[in-house]
Amino acid sequence: AQKVTQAQTEISVVEKEDVTLDCVYETRDTTYYLFWYKQPPSGELVFLIRRNSFDEQNEISGRYSWNFQKSTSSFNFTITASQVVDSAVYFCALSEAGGTSYGKLTFGQGTILTVHP
Amino acid sequence: DGGITQSPKYLFRKEGQNVTLSCEQNLNHDAMYWYRQDPGQGLRLIYYSQIVNDFQKGDIAEGYSVSREKKESFPLTVTSAQKNPTAFYLCASRPQVNTEAFFGQGTRLTVV
Repeated sequence: AQKVTQAQTEISVVEKEDVTLDCVYETRDTTYYLFWYKQPPSGELVFLIRRNSFDEQNEISGRYSWNFQKSTSSFNFTITASQVVDSAVYFCALSEAGGTSYGKLTFGQGTILTVHP
Repeated sequence: DGGITQSPKYLFRKEGQNVTLSCEQNLNHDAMYWYRQDPGQGLRLIYYSQIVNDFQKGDIAEGYSVSREKKESFPLTVTSAQKNPTAFYLCASRPQVNTEAFFGQGTRLTVV
């Protein structure tokens, strides 16, 4: 069965600090996909990144970066020089490509990030 | 414009009544999903469907039912058997398993 754990329930930082959001996943499948989403106060989920299980390259997009490590089943998300607009709930998600969970998209519990001015 | 439409945005019902939440997409996506969001619980999967006339239970399907008679539509019925129906419900769709999902704006259901 697939599972996603985001152990950090809430994180509070001051603007310009760097912050890392942790994501640990469990799956029996060798082919799977990982995602990060942002949920601002408006409630609608905004897609940030997708990574497949065969691509362990880290990715950087502006102030955002993602560190995917299959050896530790982790897909962590770092915001550099955080800003107040980064305040939101962030979700990590997992989707398997085969097996009985084919098509299932499982989310973690989310991490509430608050960036103070 | 292409997207996912959930209606209504806010819904109030009396305890013991069934209520149906609407989800429509014009993105031509095969897969559709229903999630429930409670404070501190993240997004929990209720039901999902990979194709018309087929759907699977998610992690918290008890007290809910769905149908997928058309590709564009995936309505969710919250039955009187659901013990704590008050929550924020999100619908999503995606073309295939290796792609990201697109979400609607959600329906906040309050049962009094």
